[in-house]
Amino acid sequence: ILNVEQSPQSLHVQEGDSTNFTCSFPSSNFYALHWYRWETAKSPEALFVMTLNGDEKKKGRISATLNTKEGYSYLYIKGSQPEDSATYLCASRNAGNMLTFGGGTRLMVKP
Amino acid sequence: AAGVIQSPRHLIKEKRETATLKCYPIPRHDTVYWYQQGPGQDPQFLISFYEKMQSDKGSIPDRFSAQQFSDYHSELNMSSLELGDSALYFCASSLDVGSSYNEQFFGPGTRLTVL
Repeated sequence: ILNVEQSPQSLHVQEGDSTNFTCSFPSSNFYALHWYRWETAKSPEALFVMTLNGDEKKKGRISATLNTKEGYSYLYIKGSQPEDSATYLCASRNAGNMLTFGGGTRLMVKP
Repeated sequence: AAGVIQSPRHLIKEKRETATLKCYPIPRHDTVYWYQQGPGQDPQFLISFYEKMQSDKGSIPDRFSAQQFSDYHSELNMSSLELGDSALYFCASSLDVGSSYNEQFFGPGTRLTVL
């Protein structure tokens, strides 16, 4: 993997559904993996920073895992709510603090 | 809590004009980053500054320059604007504590449109 890739590009779920999406990143020169939640016209909101293989982070109904050996991270949302609708961006960071972003997953939660 | 402030939020310029974008980091943050997100594209890293010195350089055109001032705010100067410079320009700031968990906090972006 040469770039940071996210899948799916977009996702429609019903309120109450649980969902997850994937971020793949180059495992070489890896330093940290960031997840952001971004609503249009607002600042991207920092969700998690993970660095160690096997890291798991949780914030409310949102959690994330990290596998640095195979170069992927999963973001999980339990019991999706309409207010979870946003674009979820992941970014891989190198030792110089430069973030390389994926294309994002646009989540739409229908009431 | 104070967030990253960017100004202006929207800017419209003609080709070949000059634009200056400003970024005010979160208080006490010493590192500033600039990213460019073109239409339908991923945000791309442009340049970063730590303690007023350039620390990393990405895909920033030679027509662009940036600096960080003594109060840690940063300005991105863009000259000879081209249509392809139309994009959302994000600024982020962080406090460099030497930890791999350094978080970058983003501003709302400046949307530049070049006509």
